[in-house]
Amino acid sequence: DAKTTQPNSMESNEEEPVHLPCNHSTISGTDYIHWYRQLPSQGPEYVIHGLTSNVNNRMASLAIAEDRKSSTLILHRATLRDAAVYYCILRFPNFGNEKLTFGTGTRLTIIP
Amino acid sequence: DTGVSQDPRHKITKRGQNVTFRCDPISEHNRLYWYRQTLGQGPEFLTYFQNEAQLEKSRLLSDRFSAERPKGSFSTLEIQRTEQGDSAMYLCASSETPPGLKTADTQYFGPGTRLTVL
Repeated sequence: DAKTTQPNSMESNEEEPVHLPCNHSTISGTDYIHWYRQLPSQGPEYVIHGLTSNVNNRMASLAIAEDRKSSTLILHRATLRDAAVYYCILRFPNFGNEKLTFGTGTRLTIIP
Repeated sequence: DTGVSQDPRHKITKRGQNVTFRCDPISEHNRLYWYRQTLGQGPEFLTYFQNEAQLEKSRLLSDRFSAERPKGSFSTLEIQRTEQGDSAMYLCASSETPPGLKTADTQYFGPGTRLTVL
């Protein structure tokens, strides 16, 4: 399976944008880039996913490099509630590849 | 609340005892997953059901572990002869089979069951 590399931790000030990077240099042409996050004492929750084009939803934006070897999750205005571990996961949508393969993620701390 | 629910939320047991956890998925979700998470690590996949069929099991799922989803709705995860190394958070997730073959599912996680083996 193609792997992802994320910084172990990041800090950001409240109400400022946050850019969470993810490297995936061995990504295949059919791998989707998914992001989940895990708030303290909760199960993970889906954030966003994309293939080639940048994506936006109510939670975040996903910027994907032109060569697809890296991507960045963007939180436009961080709140204290965004403090969580963020996981970047590659997924090849095919029978037998349903499971999520988590790494250790990036622990995001929001400074009030 | 119509999310994934898990019971119990916490379980403390003595080494050698058997434990059983329950997961109730989101109504009408046909897929159900079990993951395990230890401190400081991301969740690790254990097993996956589509309806009542168990389609994949991780090598982490030793013969002391068994999971069932008898009617394609709720699921149970049983650990027999618990060991201290089984102490972890056990997470359940559910999803719908996505339309088409080129889209991965979105998994919705429950709050987990924290197991402590003394």
